[in-house]
Amino acid sequence: DAGITQSPRYKITETGRQVTLMCHQTWSHSYMFWYRQDLGHGLRLIYYSAAADITDKGEVPDGYVVSRSKTENFPLTLESATRSQTSVYFCATSVTQGGGTEAFFGQGTRLTVV
Amino acid sequence: AQSVTQLGSHVSVSEGALVLLRCNYSSSVPPYLFWYVQYPNQGLQLLLKYTSAATLVKGINGFEAEFKKSETSFHLTKPSAHMSDAAEYFCAVTGGGNNRLAFGKGNQVVVIP
Repeated sequence: DAGITQSPRYKITETGRQVTLMCHQTWSHSYMFWYRQDLGHGLRLIYYSAAADITDKGEVPDGYVVSRSKTENFPLTLESATRSQTSVYFCATSVTQGGGTEAFFGQGTRLTVV
Repeated sequence: AQSVTQLGSHVSVSEGALVLLRCNYSSSVPPYLFWYVQYPNQGLQLLLKYTSAATLVKGINGFEAEFKKSETSFHLTKPSAHMSDAAEYFCAVTGGGNNRLAFGKGNQVVVIP
């Protein structure tokens, strides 16, 4: 199916463990993003990437690592998970066309750190 | 840097009544503005977007929004609420060439029968 696929959809992990959330797009959009969604905060940008091998920090990057060796994949790694990283994580792509920018979102990964 | 402000985390509206969700933006460059809707356990779906072509923008499901530069606003409206409009709504802004979207905190809309 075309679009953005996030995996897993649900994950429970223990404090201190490393966990990687996967994001794959079937388009070739240059920009990819990771957001976290928390009650009362809306969506906050963790990291983004303008192209393969180009990444940059967003608002809340601490405790996260990203890589983008291929245009279509943008994994997010929590190096040592903490309870404060319990959240819903959304991957997104964006493209500028027709004079405007539009973003597309995956279904999200619900991560619980116990 | 761009930002948006959405006031009132929860909005209750009677079925058939006007839906009005307020969004004010801050941007040092001409903004692109968006409204997204999120249904339970789903991702975000684009409702409508402003890209400077027209100040009144019509979206899906009967929603529309008007860009007012003098008020730095992009409020979302729907004349008559339906039960299926119960969802969370996010306003977002981008501009400046890096495609980063900055989101508001969202409005949880509850439709009362």
